[in-house]
Amino acid sequence: GQQLNQSPQSMFIQEGEDVSMNCTSSSIFNTWLWYKQEPGEGPVLLIALYKAGELTSNGRLTAQFGITRKDSFLNISASIPSDVGIYFCAGNAGNNRKLIWGLGTSLAVNP
Amino acid sequence: DTEVTQTPKHLVMGMTNKKSLKCEQHMGHRAMYWYKQKAKKPPELMFVYSYEKLSINESVPSRFSPECPNSSLLNLHLHALQPEDSALYLCASSQDFRALHNEQFFGPGTRLTVL
Repeated sequence: GQQLNQSPQSMFIQEGEDVSMNCTSSSIFNTWLWYKQEPGEGPVLLIALYKAGELTSNGRLTAQFGITRKDSFLNISASIPSDVGIYFCAGNAGNNRKLIWGLGTSLAVNP
Repeated sequence: DTEVTQTPKHLVMGMTNKKSLKCEQHMGHRAMYWYKQKAKKPPELMFVYSYEKLSINESVPSRFSPECPNSSLLNLHLHALQPEDSALYLCASSQDFRALHNEQFFGPGTRLTVL
């Protein structure tokens, strides 16, 4: 099925560094969602974006809905060890359409 | 209550067993979903229920049988599974599958092992 291009695939960083990841699509979306998943748990919704150009923050996390409606990025500032996990982007065109997922960015933080 | 709950947390079953996974939400959401997830991969959609009616079946084998008894509950009945069906099974819910914006909230999952 259709998938989003999510990059990077993995990151290994030092505690305190900033992180940036992004997703691109060949289709226009009405919603961009960013999830974090820890081992053995379900994905947790971090940020939901609904409008082109929208910039939304959730604590140290900031995400933007691209102007073209075909991309989104997620930034994490001042990373801490508990940021470890897999971050997934997902897009939705609405109106009875299913979520389309990126392949995930695996984040490791060295204390 | 902003939670999706799933039981059991872990399940081990033989290929001839019949078992059921259960999911519950009390957010008043009218769409509920079953996903299958393999390690380090994104969730794969299996079924969508919208207003308690099956809306999407992603060509899932008949050994998986979903059921939506009411707007808060979703079950997945399992029978004659194969070892390759071992995975994390996730339930999710959203306000309305027909809506322009459709953010989904996930439960913690059931880790299924088929021997």
